[in-house]
Amino acid sequence: EAGVVQSPRYKIIEKKQPVAFWCNPISGHNTLYWYRQNLGQGPELLIRYENEEAVDDSQLPKDRFSAERLKGVDSTLKIQPAELGDSAVYLCASSPGQPGEKLFFGSGTQLSVL
Amino acid sequence: AQKITQTQPGMFVQEKEAVTLDCTYDTSDPSYGLFWYKQPSSGEMIFLIYQGSYDQQNATEGRYSLNFQKARKSANLVISASQLGDSAMYFCAMRELSSGNTPLVFGKGTRLSVIA
Repeated sequence: EAGVVQSPRYKIIEKKQPVAFWCNPISGHNTLYWYRQNLGQGPELLIRYENEEAVDDSQLPKDRFSAERLKGVDSTLKIQPAELGDSAVYLCASSPGQPGEKLFFGSGTQLSVL
Repeated sequence: AQKITQTQPGMFVQEKEAVTLDCTYDTSDPSYGLFWYKQPSSGEMIFLIYQGSYDQQNATEGRYSLNFQKARKSANLVISASQLGDSAMYFCAMRELSSGNTPLVFGKGTRLSVIA
C-alpha cells in the first residue's frame, strides 16, 4: 500500500515569491491534514479536511496561505507571498476518518525562504 | 484546550538499555487518545503506539510500551533494549475524542540519542 506522498521534498525560494506544496493521501482516507513543523518544535495543525470540506482552518494564516482539496483526494497548500518566518517543514497526513485512529504522515516538504 | 508537555529536550541511552521518555497531558475531555510518533532525520513521522483513555491495560508494541498513569495524566514511552536505529525525535500527541474527528496535538518532542 502506497503511503502519503508529498512533493517537492525540498524548496528554496526568495521572500515574497509564491510556493505550492502537493499531497496525495492514502487511498480511501477521507481526512487530510496539513501541519507545519518549525525547527525544534512539534508539528502544528494548519488545516484539516473531511473529504473536500475544510472543517478546521482556524490556525491557517489566511492572508497569505490557501489550501484546496479538489474531489476530496489530492490537496495543495499555497503561500503567497512567502516570508522569512515561513521557513519550516510542511507535513501532510491522512487518516480513514474515525476518532482515535492514527494519522499517516508523508515525508514533508522542507521550505527555506531566503 | 488540550496540551502536551514533554520536559526532556534530549536524552542519551546506552545501546541495549531501556529508556523512558516523559509525557504529561492536560484535557477536560474524558475520552481521548494518546499517541507516540518517532521522527528520524529523514523527517517522516512514524507511528509507534496508541493508548485510549478507557483502555484498562497499558499498550505495548514490540519493544515499545506506554506507561499510562491516568490520575497523574502521564503517558510515558518506554523503549526496551535500545538500538542505534532508535536515535530520533520522539513526539507525544493527543486527540480529544468526544467531539468527533479532532486533530492530533503534539508536544515539542524529545531527542533520543543511543550510544554504542
